[in-house]
Amino acid sequence: EVQLVESGGGLVQPGRSLRLSCAASGFTFDDYDMHWVRQAPGKGLEWVSGISWNSGSTDYADSVKGRFTISRDNAKNSLYLQMNSLRAEDTALYYCAKENAIVGATGAFDYWGQGTLVTVSS
Amino acid sequence: AIRMTQSPSSLSASTGDRVTITCRASQGITSYLAWYQQKPGKAPKLLIYAASTLQSGVPSRFSGSGSGTDFTLTISCLQSEDFATYYCQQYYSYPWTFGQGTKVEIK
Repeated sequence: EVQLVESGGGLVQPGRSLRLSCAASGFTFDDYDMHWVRQAPGKGLEWVSGISWNSGSTDYADSVKGRFTISRDNAKNSLYLQMNSLRAEDTALYYCAKENAIVGATGAFDYWGQGTLVTVSS
Repeated sequence: AIRMTQSPSSLSASTGDRVTITCRASQGITSYLAWYQQKPGKAPKLLIYAASTLQSGVPSRFSGSGSGTDFTLTISCLQSEDFATYYCQQYYSYPWTFGQGTKVEIK
């Protein structure tokens, strides 16, 4: 059974940093690109960042470019999101999501974690 | 960035109704289009990918069509468990983008 379990969220002051983690199981982690998607309270979905299966390629939403860094450790079946210079508008539930296309292809998100809540407030 | 526009933003329907939601991309995305269902307090669930391919385990009353810039999600016979918010998403080019969502409510 595929499982994605996020952790690392919490209350943080504006300008501070936070690192999110996503522990993956039930599939061959290094066969798939992975992503972070967020949802502000009561709002829609926003893609945040994605990373290729071998960490060779990373992409970011304009709203987080230069502040957030996505990474992965295939040996630990884990995905990360380092968030620096946090702003109030970064407050959201952050989901880890797996693509449904294997290495070399592009796909939609077939599995999602339950999310970890990040609240940026003084 | 490619803008995804869904219509309507919300709709009221009854069990058994046929429901259609549309999604328009600001530029062509071939068939790199997915549809998700999200219920309150839950993570989104993939329904359709590649514009028209039904995700494994999703009931056949859900169907998707379209290519290029115009896409449609159809629920052929609405069931009580289908009341939720639906999102389209393009994965043709970065940054990947979602539509604003369509909330399907009980009439």
